[in-house]
Amino acid sequence: GENVEQHPSTLSVQEGDSAVIKCTYSDSASNYFPWYKQELGKRPQLIIDIRSNVGEKKDQRIAVTLNKTAKHFSLHITETQPEDSAVYFCAANGGYQKVTFGTGTKLQVIP
Amino acid sequence: DTGVSQDPRHKITKRGQNVTFRCDPISEHNRLYWYRQTLGQGPEFLTYFQNEAQLEKSRLLSDRFSAERPKGSFSTLEIQRTEQGDSAMYLCASSLFDEQYFGPGTRLTVT
Repeated sequence: GENVEQHPSTLSVQEGDSAVIKCTYSDSASNYFPWYKQELGKRPQLIIDIRSNVGEKKDQRIAVTLNKTAKHFSLHITETQPEDSAVYFCAANGGYQKVTFGTGTKLQVIP
Repeated sequence: DTGVSQDPRHKITKRGQNVTFRCDPISEHNRLYWYRQTLGQGPEFLTYFQNEAQLEKSRLLSDRFSAERPKGSFSTLEIQRTEQGDSAMYLCASSLFDEQYFGPGTRLTVT
């Protein structure tokens, strides 16, 4: 089955700086890679996703890149704001509907 | 609110008791998923329905867990003979295509 590793587990940045979270996956059949943001006590919220037929996708301050050869994908948040503080999860679908999540990155944006 | 809803939001039960949770997906979504999330971890896949058919179950799902989606709309997850290790947040998600949208979860505490 699919195995997703995520780094770092915690990340502190100054407000306005960029944050990068990296993930690797094991199953070459994976073709869908979502990213979720989860605030304390709240549900995971889909913030961006990418499919294996593209290498990069942007949505305002958030971008995701995918390297299929290396089985790496990354989340980039620019101009971070305090409200970006949360736990971020990457995931991969293993080519099916079952989605495997990473272990999460706790992002703290320091005002 | 037209999002995914779950009931109850919190459940405290004694070890050995049975519990049942309900999930109402977004109305036009034909796919429904159950996940379990423990503190500091990402959601862990339990099972997946397409319409009323249960298409996949995690190997981690013991025989004490059963899920149904009898009419292809709402779903129930039952845990029989609960154990303290079952204490977790149980999340439901639904989708029409790849993008999964989560409900608020049911927090189960087994005493």
